[in-house]
Amino acid sequence: DQQVKQNSPSLSVQEGRISILNCDYTNSMFDYFLWYKKYPAEGPTFLISISSIKDKNEDGRFTVFLNKSAKHLSLHIVPSQPGDSAVYFCAASGRGGATNKLIFGTGTLLAVQP
Amino acid sequence: KAGVTQTPRYLIKTRGQQVTLSCSPISGHRSVSWYQQTPGQGLQFLFEYFSETQRNKGNFPGRFSGRQFSNSRSEMNVSTLELGDSALYLCASSSALKRGGLDEQFFGPGTRLTVL
Repeated sequence: DQQVKQNSPSLSVQEGRISILNCDYTNSMFDYFLWYKKYPAEGPTFLISISSIKDKNEDGRFTVFLNKSAKHLSLHIVPSQPGDSAVYFCAASGRGGATNKLIFGTGTLLAVQP
Repeated sequence: KAGVTQTPRYLIKTRGQQVTLSCSPISGHRSVSWYQQTPGQGLQFLFEYFSETQRNKGNFPGRFSGRQFSNSRSEMNVSTLELGDSALYLCASSSALKRGGLDEQFFGPGTRLTVL
């Protein structure tokens, strides 16, 4: 049973426009939600996170929105740059402190066209 | 500060063999987690070690095992390899200092295992 889902395997966006990556989850007990970015032949790198008690977190060009009633979160990248082309993973974390277990979605490949 | 290192980077084995992968965490980090990445499945949590003890485990068969040493380095072992074990194996380390909050994990580049 996939507790974290990314239903779009790929997304193509023009440079300078907004990229919106979506993620749905089923477990209302998740504490934190995270976005990771992964280039080929490298490990995932942390981008941004949001606590379940917030509905928005912003860091530069990256903003994550959380809609708890819909069990949905999204990552907005504005403006998109060619260097943003990578696979983006959404992840969720259970109650913190006792474990670092992350539950990941299957990823969305973002291609930013120059 | 050096990042998370994993050895070897690439490995080819045949069915029925066993394999050991190694992960050296960032200096000072005490928690090491292992993940398996396969096409279509994303990253799936294998287990986490903290202070040489396994403190969480994912839904993988007993053929997958791990351990952590006193210097926080970790190894994972897969016995009786199957074709479906072909994957990218990633380890992540964290300081495990945040209680009740989010403990950022730093990933290594992974070991690409191919089972023939």
